[in-house]
Amino acid sequence: GENVEQHPSTLSVQEGDSAVIKCTYSDSASNYFPWYKQELGKRPQLIIDIRSNVGEKKDQRIAVTLNKTAKHFSLHITETQPEDSAVYFCAAASGGSNYKLTFGKGTLLTVNP
Amino acid sequence: DGGITQSPKYLFRKEGQNVTLSCEQNLNHDAMYWYRQDPGQGLRLIYYSQIVNDFQKGDIAEGYSVSREKKESFPLTVTSAQKNPTAFYLCASSISGTATYEQYFGPGTRLTVT
Repeated sequence: GENVEQHPSTLSVQEGDSAVIKCTYSDSASNYFPWYKQELGKRPQLIIDIRSNVGEKKDQRIAVTLNKTAKHFSLHITETQPEDSAVYFCAAASGGSNYKLTFGKGTLLTVNP
Repeated sequence: DGGITQSPKYLFRKEGQNVTLSCEQNLNHDAMYWYRQDPGQGLRLIYYSQIVNDFQKGDIAEGYSVSREKKESFPLTVTSAQKNPTAFYLCASSISGTATYEQYFGPGTRLTVT
């Protein structure tokens, strides 16, 4: 089955700096890669996603890049703010008919004011 | 934060007892999912249902059971066979049975078994 590895497990940055979280996946048939943000005590929420026919996608301060050849994708957050502090999960849609998401173990991002 | 609800928020049970966690959605979504979240482990899929009256095992289904008799409801039963049931349980739904659509999560139920 699919295996998603996420690094780093914790990341601390100063406000205004950039943050990068990286994920690798094992199933070359995976074709959808979402990122979820979970603030402390709250439910996970989708912040951005990318499909395999696209190499990069941006939404304001957030961007995701995908390298299908190397089977890795990354989340980039620019001009970080304290409200970006949360746990971020990457995931990959896998299975013969893309029936499920396999999640990484998460990255705790702390943005220091 | 409406749309998908879970109850109760906290649940305490004695070892050896079965317990059922509720998940309801009014988003008219076809698919529903149950995940277990443990510290440092990410979200692991327990069961999923792509359509009413049908469900499949996920990666860690042992010791759990589900039903999907109504489109709006997907209850999860944690049985006494689950060896380590204490965890945070998240229910989610999506418009379609494929995983390439956004999943909307409920607020979660924290289960403690002693």
